[in-house]
Amino acid sequence: DAGITQSPRHKVTETGTPVTLRCHQTENHRYMYWYRQDPGHGLRLIHYSYGVKDTDKGEVSDGYSVSRSKTEDFLLTLESATSSQTSVYFCAITPRILTDSYEQYFGPGTRLTVT
Amino acid sequence: QQPVQSPQAVILREGEDAVINCSSSKALYSVHWYRQKHGEAPVFLMILLKGGEQKGHDKISASFNEKKQQSSLYLTASQLSYSGTYFCGTEAQGGKLIFGQGTELSVKP
Repeated sequence: DAGITQSPRHKVTETGTPVTLRCHQTENHRYMYWYRQDPGHGLRLIHYSYGVKDTDKGEVSDGYSVSRSKTEDFLLTLESATSSQTSVYFCAITPRILTDSYEQYFGPGTRLTVT
Repeated sequence: QQPVQSPQAVILREGEDAVINCSSSKALYSVHWYRQKHGEAPVFLMILLKGGEQKGHDKISASFNEKKQQSSLYLTASQLSYSGTYFCGTEAQGGKLIFGQGTELSVKP
């Protein structure tokens, strides 16, 4: 258990409203990631963080922003939700305890529906 | 660029073997394998590093051909619990994974 929680677990919102998803970890891991998962596309990286206030874009970052003011929390914000952002969102961490490689452990996911 | 997995889906009987392939057009530092059951989060299975050894986990093992930029996941004597969608994730540099589209594996009694 990598100690990752996501909130909310389910959310329905209307087009044009802002939405913030939270990822919380208890192990002080430096690296955190946000992915979205859609049928036929696998997992696609939205944004990631390599430390407090250090973030970078992934492959599908348009329409999303992130913030990390504390090690344990990584927030994903949809500034103005659109129906194309209906998806399942996963947060992940990398412990990097024994190796220099980046095996990832995922939170339980948030199912977001934009109507 | 997204790695390509094959096959897209496979149906097995308990006890049968399966191979899932993952191919990338980029030079790779490592390849990761994950399994996801319906409605759940992906779960890390194993990682293969450039220059490293073939990995194994119970009856699931994997190989990594650096020159061909390919990896294969081998499931031996499949069990019902092996059902799920398998994803490879390729790492070119810097810890960012790019995942394949997934291979859906169904094991029937």
